[in-house]
Amino acid sequence: LAKTTQPISMDSYEGQEVNITCSHNNIATNDYITWYQQFPSQGPRFIIQGYKTKVTNEVASLFIPADRKSSTLSLPRVSLSDTAVYYCLVGGNYGGSQGNLIFGKGTKLSVKP
Amino acid sequence: SAVISQKPSRDICQRGTSLTIQCQVDSQVTMMFWYRQQPGQSLTLIATANQGSEATYESGFVIDKFPISRPNLTFSTLTVSNMSPEDSSIYLCSVDNRGSYNEQFFGPGTRLTVL
Repeated sequence: LAKTTQPISMDSYEGQEVNITCSHNNIATNDYITWYQQFPSQGPRFIIQGYKTKVTNEVASLFIPADRKSSTLSLPRVSLSDTAVYYCLVGGNYGGSQGNLIFGKGTKLSVKP
Repeated sequence: SAVISQKPSRDICQRGTSLTIQCQVDSQVTMMFWYRQQPGQSLTLIATANQGSEATYESGFVIDKFPISRPNLTFSTLTVSNMSPEDSSIYLCSVDNRGSYNEQFFGPGTRLTVL
């Protein structure tokens, strides 16, 4: 199972773009990269998932270089409500796989006014 | 998406007792997952529960301590048995998004404090 490494914390200001990078040097061929967001006293919430290149949805963008050994979650124009812990996960995306969804320590993002 | 509810939302229990946590989903799902999140820490998968079969436990978790039931496709329970203060944690259940294992929907969690 691929281990992930993220910065423990990041600070930003409202309106800025935030990029959180995750390292996963041992990613396997069939592994996907998934990001979750967790607010205090809530369960994690799925943000975005990708396999390679770039994925964009209404919340964020995910950039994955060709070697897939890292990925970057990009949050455009953050607001105070984006203050949360962001988790990068790497694992298989097929039914029946067990134990692949392993949460690392996450990155605590603090957005200031 | 799936809407998940958990009961109780929080509880304070005495050492040596047991607590059963309920997880209800608003749609039928094959797999349900139980996690533990200790204060200020990340999530750790306890077990995966398939309807109609025994739950599969991760390393470090055993059925005698965390028995799980999965009576139908919308409901599961996790029991924390013979509790000690080390069991104080948030317990969360989740379901996957129609077989997309990495995309899971989480319940709000049950905050357990053991005295």
